[in-house]
Amino acid sequence: ETGVTQSPTHLIKTRGQQVTLRCSSQSGHNTVSWYQQALGQGPQFIFQYYREEENGRGNFPPRFSGLQFPNYSSELNVNALELDDSALYLCASSLLGKGYEQYFGPGTRLTVT
Amino acid sequence: AQSVTQLDSQVPVFEEAPVELRCNYSSSVSVYLFWYVQYPNQGLQLLLKYLSGSTLVESINGFEAEFNKSQTSFHLRKPSVHISDTAEYFCAVMGMNTGFQKLVFGTGTRLLVSP
Repeated sequence: ETGVTQSPTHLIKTRGQQVTLRCSSQSGHNTVSWYQQALGQGPQFIFQYYREEENGRGNFPPRFSGLQFPNYSSELNVNALELDDSALYLCASSLLGKGYEQYFGPGTRLTVT
Repeated sequence: AQSVTQLDSQVPVFEEAPVELRCNYSSSVSVYLFWYVQYPNQGLQLLLKYLSGSTLVESINGFEAEFNKSQTSFHLRKPSVHISDTAEYFCAVMGMNTGFQKLVFGTGTRLLVSP
């Protein structure tokens, strides 16, 4: 059983740029969630995708957007990067309605300068 | 809406000593409860969860947590810690019947185990 993978591992961007982060879900999972973890903080829910549709969103502006593909892989896109977007971005996959646990990938460390 | 409070940002203990990491939550709906562990430069791993039934839940590596509905708490305990337990521990809740599965995390407690 393949776990959740994320790419890239690290990324450095300049303020105002756009970034795309990628996630490959655990085999058999149909739901993917994205979280932002700032330094020294707990993860904050960004949004969740189920069957290629966004089915829940946290308190993040529209410049944070996502996609889920038929193979359940996912992308997180952030436009007009700000310094405060510097964080660890975590992807988690799950099977909606079953067990409720979410399986996390290792994360992408984004630094905005 | 839900919120989670982990009052202790850091807990230093000696190896083989017992430890308790505290977690309190607030929610307008019933919740599921989780503890996740994060080792340096890694993602989060599920340690244990409470969905229903017995209020005492255990992990395979000796941790246990007890759900106390009246005190809205879900404290994590281990009777004897190892050096390898050094990590960041996050308590999280998920509201029931919300249509989607959103975890709300506390700010974490860093467990530092020394020889």
